[in-house]
Order: sequence, then structure tokens, then C-alpha cells
Amino acid sequence: GQNIDQPTEMTATEGAIVQINCTYQTSGFNGLFWYQQHAGEAPTFLSYNVLDGLEEKGRFSSFLSRSKGYSYLLLKELQMKDSASYLCAVGSSSASKIIFGSGTRLSIRP
Amino acid sequence: GAVVSQHPSWVICKSGTSVKIECRSLDFQATTMFWYRQFPKQSLMLMATSNEGSKATYEQGVEKDKFLINHASLTLSTLTVTSAHPEDSSFYICSVDPGTATDTQYFGPGTRLTVL
Repeated sequence: GQNIDQPTEMTATEGAIVQINCTYQTSGFNGLFWYQQHAGEAPTFLSYNVLDGLEEKGRFSSFLSRSKGYSYLLLKELQMKDSASYLCAVGSSSASKIIFGSGTRLSIRP
Repeated sequence: GAVVSQHPSWVICKSGTSVKIECRSLDFQATTMFWYRQFPKQSLMLMATSNEGSKATYEQGVEKDKFLINHASLTLSTLTVTSAHPEDSSFYICSVDPGTATDTQYFGPGTRLTVL
């Protein structure tokens, strides 16, 4: 089966850095995705990791360790608009689909 | 990324009626689309995989006779919630996989269904 764990809620300060962790167990691993979802809206794609290491894209970076079943999303220079839910998702090659974690609601305070 | 539209963006209906939600891929032909459901403060739950020209593949626990999926063309998939009940009230989101190497999915804007 598949299992994805991430914290339910996090709070951070504007201008700071926050790291959102995700651990997973899956068969037929086919990459790890991070999506951002604002309340009442559909998710938007942030990043994709299939090999170990860090992928940097502007203020956002994503890290993957396949041996540990672990990923994190790093957000730098936080802005108020970064307040959203961040969904960790795992691709399954055996099923050709993406399974989503429960999401982490990030609140940014001034 | 791919551009996906959904219609309607929100709908309110009476219990017992049926509601059809459309998902369109606007800038490429999608042989596969996905339908998700999301309850408040919960994550996306995959309901079914919609396959153009063939039957949809439903996830365990999803009633195929209640949630009818039709993928008649490469740009359109429809989800019909039959005999809707208040517990079906949810945010329904479709997505497409444009077939890139990363298998990234791109989501439509979602449809908010409220059943009275």
C-alpha cells in the first residue's frame, strides 16, 4: 500500500524560511511532487523530484531521499501570499497515478 | 503546463437530482484524465481515471453507478453525480497528464457542488 505523512499545520514569519517535511511509503515509486493549494482553488504544480538531491526553483526548493522515503519543501523569503496548503504527492509507476498526502496548512504572520 | 477548464465552477442542486461536471483540456489532447474529490480541510482523493474511448477505472470504494464518467473525446471528460445527496457536497477537481517525462498532472479550477 501507500502512505504519505506530513504535518497538518505550520506557522512561519514573513521573510523567514520554512521547511515542510514529507515521509512516504510506496510501491513502484515514480517521483515525488509538491503542489500548492490556496483555499477554494485547485492545486498548482510546484516541483517534481525523481532522483535524490535538491532541486531549486526560485524561492522554493525541494529535496528527495529515496532510501529514506523522505522529502522536504523549503520556502525562502516568505511572503504573505505563501499562506496556503502544501500537498506532498507520490507517483506510482505500477498504477500510473499520483497519490496525495493530507497537506500542510502554512500560515504566514507579519 | 497544460490548461484545463471545468464547468460549472459551482453548482447547487436539490437532493435526488443529477449533476454533470465537464472537464476540458484546452491546449492538448488528453487520452487520460483524472477525477478527484476534496472535502473541507482534507486532501485530494482520487475517484477515477478517465480513459478516452473506454471505461473509466474507479478507485476502491467509489461507486461507478453513482459517479458516471464519460470520456468521449480527447479534450472532454464528464463526471455525472447521479441522485446526489448532501454527503456528495464537495469540491470536484479534474486533472490531465500531458504525457511529459515527469508525469506531472495539471488541474482544472474545480467545481464546488452543494447538495441541499
